[in-house]
Formats: sequence, C-alpha cells, structure tokens
Amino acid sequence: AQRVTQPEKLLSVFKGAPVELKCNYSYSGSPELFWYVQYSRQRLQLLLRHISRESIKGFTADLNKGETSFHLKKPFAQEEDSAMYYCALSYYNQGGKLIFGQGTELSVKP
Amino acid sequence: DTAVSQTPKYLVTQMGNDKSIKCEQNLGHDTMYWYKQDSKKFLKIMFSYNNKELIINETVPNRFSPKSPDKAHLNLHINSLELGDSAVYFCASSPVRGRVFFGSGTQLSVL
Repeated sequence: AQRVTQPEKLLSVFKGAPVELKCNYSYSGSPELFWYVQYSRQRLQLLLRHISRESIKGFTADLNKGETSFHLKKPFAQEEDSAMYYCALSYYNQGGKLIFGQGTELSVKP
Repeated sequence: DTAVSQTPKYLVTQMGNDKSIKCEQNLGHDTMYWYKQDSKKFLKIMFSYNNKELIINETVPNRFSPKSPDKAHLNLHINSLELGDSAVYFCASSPVRGRVFFGSGTQLSVL
C-alpha cells in the first residue's frame, strides 16, 4: 500500500539552526514526491517537488530511492519558516491524488 | 486573482442539518478535488473529478455528495451533519499531470 510517514509531529529549533524534516514513503511503482507548507490559517502551498530539483526559500529535498526517503532540509532556519509541513506522494495513474503524511509542525524560536 | 476559491470560509451548524460548500477554479484545470483535514491536521482525499466525472471516491459516507456542474466548479453537499464531520475541507485543482493548487479551506463546525 502507498503510504507516507513523517515521524515527527513537532520539531522545535532556534533561529539559525539547521532543520531536517523527515519523510519516508512506501510505494509500488514510481511516485512523485512533494513537500507542501501550510502557514498559520492559510492554504496549502507547494514548496518542492522532487522532479524539479530546485531550492525554494532555502529548502531542499533529495529523493533517496534506496532508503525511500524525501527529507526536507534547510541549513539556517528563520522564524518565518514556522508552519505545518506535509510530505506527499502522487501517482498519475490514480487521478493525480495526493497521499499525505501526518504533517510536521516546525516551530522556529528567536 | 484567487486561483481556487471556496465559500464559505467558516460554517457553523447544528447536527442533522444539510449544508453545502462551493468551489471554483479559474486556472482551466481539468481535475478538481476535495480533501478533509481533521482535528489532528491529517489530510486525506475525499473525491476527485476529472472534467465533471467522478474518478476517485475514497470510502466517504454517502451523506457527502459532490456535484460538478462544469469543470471549473466542484461543490460539496453534506446531508445530516454529524459531530465527526467537523473539520477543515479543502478544495483543490490540477492539470492532468501537474501541480495541485489548494483553496483556502472551509472550517466546518458541527455543534
């Protein structure tokens, strides 16, 4: 079964510290992996997708097929990074639906 | 201009009532979705429509009935509301193979 696991419900760091939000997935096939972010009381926004291999707001994520992981990293956290982060996977032969992890709340303290 | 808009933003109602949430997208996407975010912030797909046709129904109670009058609109009607229906409901849309855009959510509170 397709599944996305984010083991940390809450991650609290100080401003300037490195951040790594973990994401592991189980699959049958070739999924596409995403990170979505939800700032307080706002809509979900796409942060990264693995096929783009880009860096947005200083965040990067590398797909590791051997470990079935797609961890989100940022070398220096900022207070404005505080938000809910969701890892998700999608299979195009399933109508493009997103399967989300449980979400990790990132809190960056001053 | 808002790409995916849903109304109302907040909905407070009594158990047993029937309510609707409306969603519209102006992106020209063929596919639209409804997702539910529960009290633990867990997000799960409910329905997906492609060009007005239902393609995903994720074991949602039949009290929930989506309606797509055209490919730019996907409304969600809920009959006989229950306490457990309290959640945030997100509408979303995407092209056939591409990025999913989400609406700002409707917070439903059933009292």
